[in-house]
Amino acid sequence: EAAVTQSPRSKVAVTGGKVTLSCHQTNNHDYMYWYRQDTGHGLRLIHYSYVADSTEKGDIPDGYKASRPSQENFSLILELASLSQTAVYFCASSGQGNTEVFFGKGTRLTVV
Amino acid sequence: KTQVEQSPQSLVVRQGENCVLQCNYSVTPDNHLRWFKQDTGKGLVSLTVLVDQKDKTSNGRYSATLDKDAKHSTLHITATLLDDTATYICVVGDRGSALGRLHFGAGTQLIVIP
Repeated sequence: EAAVTQSPRSKVAVTGGKVTLSCHQTNNHDYMYWYRQDTGHGLRLIHYSYVADSTEKGDIPDGYKASRPSQENFSLILELASLSQTAVYFCASSGQGNTEVFFGKGTRLTVV
Repeated sequence: KTQVEQSPQSLVVRQGENCVLQCNYSVTPDNHLRWFKQDTGKGLVSLTVLVDQKDKTSNGRYSATLDKDAKHSTLHITATLLDDTATYICVVGDRGSALGRLHFGAGTQLIVIP
């Protein structure tokens, strides 16, 4: 069964601290994505990757870094967390063409 | 500027009633359109994908239409159940490859009451 697993599921971070969100997929997909969801808005793309050891900037990359050490794993890194980064973060994976897109269950990040 | 607009923002229906959700978009090119269901606090689950210029799909009690000329899609839910309570999100893909961007609507919150 296709799966995208995110950890942690929720986190409270201190302003200025470092936060790492992890994502693991067992779908054998080449493409992985990080999105953030804010109340009342659609998901917005932060970073994505189409091959291990390579990442690309999405629409809102400022304040975020990404790491793809293997096909299965994709991390989102907030070096200096800020209040404005409080949101729900979703990881997704997809294959070539019009194949299915699978999302993780989300990570609720609260920066205080 | 928002490229995918969904209406209504929220909707309350009684169990057993039918409902229709709307999606209008300005994304170009518009390769395909997906409808997702997002339960509260959960991830997004794909309900259907529409690809053709004028397309129709059916998945159990869910059916959807797409008209690329009008850049408009509808999601019909027949005989709603309490478990249909969720946010329904319209997503337009601008390319057929996974590298194409996905453009998300803000969603329609559906509440089904007994």
